[in-house]
Amino acid sequence: GAGVSQSPSNKVTEKGKDVELRCDPISGHTALYWYRQSLGQGLEFLIYFQGNSAPDKSGLPSDRFSAERTGGSVSTLTIQRTQQEDSAVYLCASSLVRGSAGELFFGEGSRLTVL
Amino acid sequence: KQEVTQIPAALSVPEGENLVLNCSFTDSAIYNLQWFRQDPGKGLTSLLLIQSSQREQTSGRLNASLDKSSGRSTLYIAASQPGDSATYLCAVRPGAGNMLTFGGGTRLMVKP
Repeated sequence: GAGVSQSPSNKVTEKGKDVELRCDPISGHTALYWYRQSLGQGLEFLIYFQGNSAPDKSGLPSDRFSAERTGGSVSTLTIQRTQQEDSAVYLCASSLVRGSAGELFFGEGSRLTVL
Repeated sequence: KQEVTQIPAALSVPEGENLVLNCSFTDSAIYNLQWFRQDPGKGLTSLLLIQSSQREQTSGRLNASLDKSSGRSTLYIAASQPGDSATYLCAVRPGAGNMLTFGGGTRLMVKP
């Protein structure tokens, strides 16, 4: 596609429910990032995918968070048993492989509200 | 651990002023530095990308410079306009590793 696409744009859920957030990167981009932006906070790295390599999960805040990337394209971020502190905007970004410019392009984000 | 700081945190200027936003980082072993703009409720829009071997990049009224040895980058906005009002973020990609580290941003308001 023309840009990074994320869905849903807004999600309201009850505490304890599971949620799935989807990211469709720019066509041809092999690197994919998930970041989280909480109200009044900076961007927090969550996970990074590059091609078929094992993902860098070092930023995932707890084992309730997981992500997968099927076929090297679309990625899904799953949050199990959501808590109120999970409320944030989840941003996805993609880029060409590192050997090139490595410029990151972000989607519009998925705003998650946990009641 | 890389730390990125942006000063000032907020800035309000009258339309037409030239202004400078600052970004500093603690580890000079970077691969590149990228400046973004974020409008309220929106994602991040890439403005300029500077590779570690470059000193500056220009796009229209925007000019970004990089002094890697001193751990600083500046974003210069010429002839500011109300449409420039947004939060500006810088992010540093390390020389080794995948995680970009973001600054806290500078919230800019340009008054008509």
